[in-house]
Amino acid sequence: KAGVTQTPRYLIKTRGQQVTLSCSPISGHRSVSWYQQTPGQGLQFLFEYFSETQRNKGNFPGRFSGRQFSNSRSEMNVSTLELGDSALYLCASSLGTHTDTQYFGPGTRLTVL
Amino acid sequence: TQLLEQSPQFLSIQEGENLTVYCNSSSVFSSLQWYRQEPGEGPVLLVTVVTGGEVKKLKRLTFQFGDARKDSSLHITAAQPGDTGLYLCAGNNAGNNRKLIWGLGTSLAVNP
Repeated sequence: KAGVTQTPRYLIKTRGQQVTLSCSPISGHRSVSWYQQTPGQGLQFLFEYFSETQRNKGNFPGRFSGRQFSNSRSEMNVSTLELGDSALYLCASSLGTHTDTQYFGPGTRLTVL
Repeated sequence: TQLLEQSPQFLSIQEGENLTVYCNSSSVFSSLQWYRQEPGEGPVLLVTVVTGGEVKKLKRLTFQFGDARKDSSLHITAAQPGDTGLYLCAGNNAGNNRKLIWGLGTSLAVNP
């Protein structure tokens, strides 16, 4: 079974731009969660989507948004990028909820200049 | 705010040594997961502990869940360079607003 895939793997943007990241979950997994990982803050939960609906949300500003398509693929969008948004963005899929075993993709490394 | 504190933050040891890393909280969790993350990759689940006092073994790795389900430890026997990585624990609060609470991780380097 193919694992979680994320595209692109690396991205460089400048302040004020917006970015869209993509995630394809494991086949059959309907829950997709997004995380931001930085050395100082660790893994921080952004949001979870299940059957195209946002089911859970972390404490991030509205500049961070996401969506899920009928085939469970998910996208995350960050608008008006700030320097502090530089991070590794990880997508994880699971069978049930985001508190079940998370199967992570390799992440997208975003650098904001 | 629920927190999971992991210690030590960094650990550098020689191949063949034993080590223990800790994951502590003042909150009770219904379950706790341990992940390992290697450079350039996402975290991979090692084990989930559910019952207070539970001990699980995965080859040279031994995981223990505290009796009160507030803390956990990971012991590695005879560490190998392949054990190098970031070890993360994540607690399931199982409350009305179910969320995984993540620790910051222990970065382990095993030198040959």
